[in-house]
Amino acid sequence: QKEVEQNSGPLSVPEGAIASLNCTYSDRGSQSFFWYRQYSGKSPELIMSIYSNGDKEDGRFTAQLNKASQYVSLLIRDSQPSDSATYLCAVLKAAGNKLTFGGGTRVLVKP
Amino acid sequence: DGGITQSPKYLFRKEGQNVTLSCEQNLNHDAMYWYRQDPGQGLRLIYYSQIVNDFQKGDIAEGYSVSREKKESFPLTVTSAQKNPTAFYLCATSLSGTSRKAFFGQGTRLTVV
Repeated sequence: QKEVEQNSGPLSVPEGAIASLNCTYSDRGSQSFFWYRQYSGKSPELIMSIYSNGDKEDGRFTAQLNKASQYVSLLIRDSQPSDSATYLCAVLKAAGNKLTFGGGTRVLVKP
Repeated sequence: DGGITQSPKYLFRKEGQNVTLSCEQNLNHDAMYWYRQDPGQGLRLIYYSQIVNDFQKGDIAEGYSVSREKKESFPLTVTSAQKNPTAFYLCATSLSGTSRKAFFGQGTRLTVV
């Protein structure tokens, strides 16, 4: 079992719709959770962080965390063509401070 | 400018040669990480360091070596023992503590010729 798992996609959504991305993790001791966006050929950029159960909103992005289910998600509202990218889920283990990434979900927003 | 500087941006290596990738930061971050990314794949952890003179192996450390002699610097050497070194290499840094938001340099694209 991979430590952090994501559907590879592509997730195709029409412009203006909501994109929903999922991520599961295996280590129950994980404390910090991050979503990164990566455009082709570029380095990842941090878009959301979440540390406690529930929802966290920042502009058009909402991160959701459920530690009991070992599940973290990202919602992108009013999707724009500029949101087309690969979204990477990252999880920080408390023990050893190891930051592990999932394989990423490719999102395509169609005008 | 504050930030994370990786150099060079592009690097070509002949088979059998060792090469060193540079990562320098002036953010005063404690932790530094090296990741490898292959086309269409996620990031795989090579090595990471929480403090000076200490580092830990990640998931794919074989064929790589690192040092952390200064807080600002965490160079990665790709040795000839690494059989498939062609990849995009990313350095990241973060503060200590629970939040630990990690930020990335621009990456080094290594190609074996």
